[in-house]
Amino acid sequence: EDKVVQSPLSLVVHEGDTVTLNCSYEVTNFRSLLWYKQEKKAPTFLFMLTSSGIEKKSGRLSSILDKKELFSILNITATQTGDSAVYLCAERGGADGLTFGKGTHLIIQP
Amino acid sequence: AAGVIQSPRHLIKEKRETATLKCYPIPRHDTVYWYQQGPGQDPQFLISFYEKMQSDKGSIPDRFSAQQFSDYHSELNMSSLELGDSALYFCASSLSLTTDTQYFGPGTRLTVL
Repeated sequence: EDKVVQSPLSLVVHEGDTVTLNCSYEVTNFRSLLWYKQEKKAPTFLFMLTSSGIEKKSGRLSSILDKKELFSILNITATQTGDSAVYLCAERGGADGLTFGKGTHLIIQP
Repeated sequence: AAGVIQSPRHLIKEKRETATLKCYPIPRHDTVYWYQQGPGQDPQFLISFYEKMQSDKGSIPDRFSAQQFSDYHSELNMSSLELGDSALYFCASSLSLTTDTQYFGPGTRLTVL
């Protein structure tokens, strides 16, 4: 069975810190790896990664995929309290549905 | 930009009742996915539709059924509701079945008493 594992499960940092969230996956028929941000409502799309070593960037957020080692990281620099959320990593494999990890609960303290 | 629309946003039902959840995908998106997210859990894939046909099934109970209509909106029908069905139900849509990015709606919070 496909498995997506995220770490850490929770993280508390201060505003201005940089954080790195990890996601490892074990899948067959891998198609893509996606990151979402969830703040007590719908998961909001952040990135989709399909190729190794190509960094995707959006403002203070960036993500990269390593298909050889089967992991991805999500970096957030100069964190703000508005970054507090659950960050979900999901894999799209042979099935239509996304397989999600348990998420990293990130808390940014002022 | 238009997003996925779900209705109702909140629903309270008694055990053994039925419920119907509706989803309107982003305009021009022809693929719809349903997910169930229990308290403190990650979203679990239930079922998907592409061009009005069922495409794939995940962990959808036999008591649940769904369909996609000619205008691409989808409905999830849930019968003989159980306490364990209380969850957040998300609909997501994508531009096509071969497009991996899924955009999620705001969800319907179902409470079964």
